[in-house]
Amino acid sequence: AQSVTQLDSQVPVFEEAPVELRCNYSSSVSVYLFWYVQYPNQGLQLLLKYLSGSTLVKGINGFEAEFNKSQTSFHLRKPSVHISDTAEYFCAVSGRNAGNMLTFGGGTRLMVKP
Amino acid sequence: DAGVIQSPRHEVTEMGQEVTLRCKPISGHNSLFWYRQTMMRGLELLIYFNNNVPIDDSGMPEDRFSAKMPNASFSTLKIQPSEPRDSAVYFCASRRGQPGNEKLFFGSGTQLSVL
Repeated sequence: AQSVTQLDSQVPVFEEAPVELRCNYSSSVSVYLFWYVQYPNQGLQLLLKYLSGSTLVKGINGFEAEFNKSQTSFHLRKPSVHISDTAEYFCAVSGRNAGNMLTFGGGTRLMVKP
Repeated sequence: DAGVIQSPRHEVTEMGQEVTLRCKPISGHNSLFWYRQTMMRGLELLIYFNNNVPIDDSGMPEDRFSAKMPNASFSTLKIQPSEPRDSAVYFCASRRGQPGNEKLFFGSGTQLSVL
């Protein structure tokens, strides 16, 4: 069994400020990790993913995330946010075995203010 | 590539009516997923298919919900009879290959309102 916890349901931040969206997971097996973004009135898009190798993963739109195995975390960061980054962000985990499905966290709403 | 196509985009119906949501996955993708999104529970996996075969339907909330995938290019999610608590956004997603090796592509969702 696996689960994902996103510790903050909402994160307000001013434009051009840095932001970190937190994600912790639990799993009995090795995992792949993902961040998805959902802009208002749109479906989900993949932001970035960690499969193996370097623990620092860079994604689209200037976002990056760091996999920390000892802390079972995969926090998402951006050094300077824009108004257009206002969206819902979902962390997700998938077991590495065939047939494992994606389990999502509850989501974090990032609200960028001018 | 047109992406994952869901229809209708919006559905408003009355309690007790049958609702059918449709999904066309991306051509060549062999896995298809139905998710439901609500404010209270976030994103929940309802069911997923691999090569048109239902693999795990443990997320389907009740017998009122059923899903089919008659071929590789089409899937339906049916609710009969519908209830107000079924109101949510329903997403279909598809993937090719093993978990983690390919992106999961989502449709734009169907906003269902049951009055």
